[in-house]
Amino acid sequence: DGGITQSPKYLFRKEGQNVTLSCEQNLNHDAMYWYRQDPGQGLRLIYYSQIVNDFQKGDIAEGYSVSREKKESFPLTVTSAQKNPTAFYLCASSQGSSTTEKLFFGSGTQLSVL
Amino acid sequence: QKEVEQNSGPLSVPEGAIASLNCTYSDRGSQSFFWYRQYSGKSPELIMSIYSNGDKEDGRFTAQLNKASQYVSLLIRDSQPSDSATYLCAVPTSGTYKYIFGTGTRLKVLA
Repeated sequence: DGGITQSPKYLFRKEGQNVTLSCEQNLNHDAMYWYRQDPGQGLRLIYYSQIVNDFQKGDIAEGYSVSREKKESFPLTVTSAQKNPTAFYLCASSQGSSTTEKLFFGSGTQLSVL
Repeated sequence: QKEVEQNSGPLSVPEGAIASLNCTYSDRGSQSFFWYRQYSGKSPELIMSIYSNGDKEDGRFTAQLNKASQYVSLLIRDSQPSDSATYLCAVPTSGTYKYIFGTGTRLKVLA
């Protein structure tokens, strides 16, 4: 079945630690996205990528980093510079040929600070 | 900063009533508009998309778009308890693939 796989489902970060959230898609989509969701809030864009080896900052990129070395993979690293990382992280993808296309979402990763 | 605004609610409606959810956006150049439903702890799922002024119906759902007023709405007819969720409005910023989401409206359908 085609879809987006995020792992792990739950992740705990210690003080000063970098952690990486995985996002893999087998939909052959060009565009991929990372969103952060805080309790009772909407989705805020962290980074997005339209093609391999290229990505753009969203509205809250500080303290995060990404890479897009393969079309199907878009990992997100939450660095120690992100002082309030506890949130629900969602990865999404779209075909990338037009903004009339919907976003497909993974099942999310809940990140908490120990 | 392009913005998408929604009333956070909760919006409470009795079972069988019509629920009306509203969204305004700031980017006059936006051409596509999406409504997603999100259950607690789950990822969003697409309910409706609309690109032209007017109404678009799909089953119990109707999306309405007024580009002049920069306003998009979602009507849910014959509301069911299973419709209780948060509804998110999403608008791609014109000329980019930057999809901006509103804060969402929490809907409660009372049995």
